Amino acid sequence: DADVTQTPRNRITKTGKRIMLECSQTKGHDRMYWYRQDPGLGLRLIYYSFDVKDINKGEISDGYSVSRQAQAKFSLSLESAIPNQTALYFCATSDTREIHEQYFGPGTRLTVT
Amino acid sequence: QKEVEQNSGPLSVPEGAIASLNCTYSDRGSQSFFWYRQYSGKSPELIMFIYSNGDKEDGRFTAQLNKASQYVSLLIRDSQPSDSATYLCAARGVSGGSYIPTFGRGTSLIVHP
Repeated sequence: DADVTQTPRNRITKTGKRIMLECSQTKGHDRMYWYRQDPGLGLRLIYYSFDVKDINKGEISDGYSVSRQAQAKFSLSLESAIPNQTALYFCATSDTREIHEQYFGPGTRLTVT
Repeated sequence: QKEVEQNSGPLSVPEGAIASLNCTYSDRGSQSFFWYRQYSGKSPELIMFIYSNGDKEDGRFTAQLNKASQYVSLLIRDSQPSDSATYLCAARGVSGGSYIPTFGRGTSLIVHP
């Protein structure tokens, strides 16, 4: 089984809809991250969390919110989706005891029409 | 603002040649540097990390770091078509104790038979 899983893997939704992307990990890592990737723009950090009670904004948090329900779960919400949020979304984890390598989930391809 | 710059490419090399991928970073406080490989539509996976000046070799891969010039490179010897992917450079400092890496936009590598 994959160490970092994301659901759904693909999602098409309409403008204005609320949508939640979920991430779960079995690596036992304390840190979790949400990134979006757009063609030619690389990975951009949306939110990150260092433990269950810790939530931090990344460089592009506007229009997004997150919830760290447990050490192993970190969800990303789009309260009112808009077309420019169409992108590939990655969840990642890392462990403060290691080299801080980030382990990425398989990604969620989101299309907002 | 911390920046990591990469030439987007594509860099095209023949099979068996050495592929040289380059990266510069703006934050002199960066301490660790990572190279991730990302196949089209897939998630990034770590292939090398380096934190000391000089070279670090792992199989066909060599990472080179020059902190004075704020320059990181990745050499791939005996390039294979399976090496065709986008290579992401990331730099991580300790700003605010966050250890959050900054990613470049990636360089596309094509290895042709």
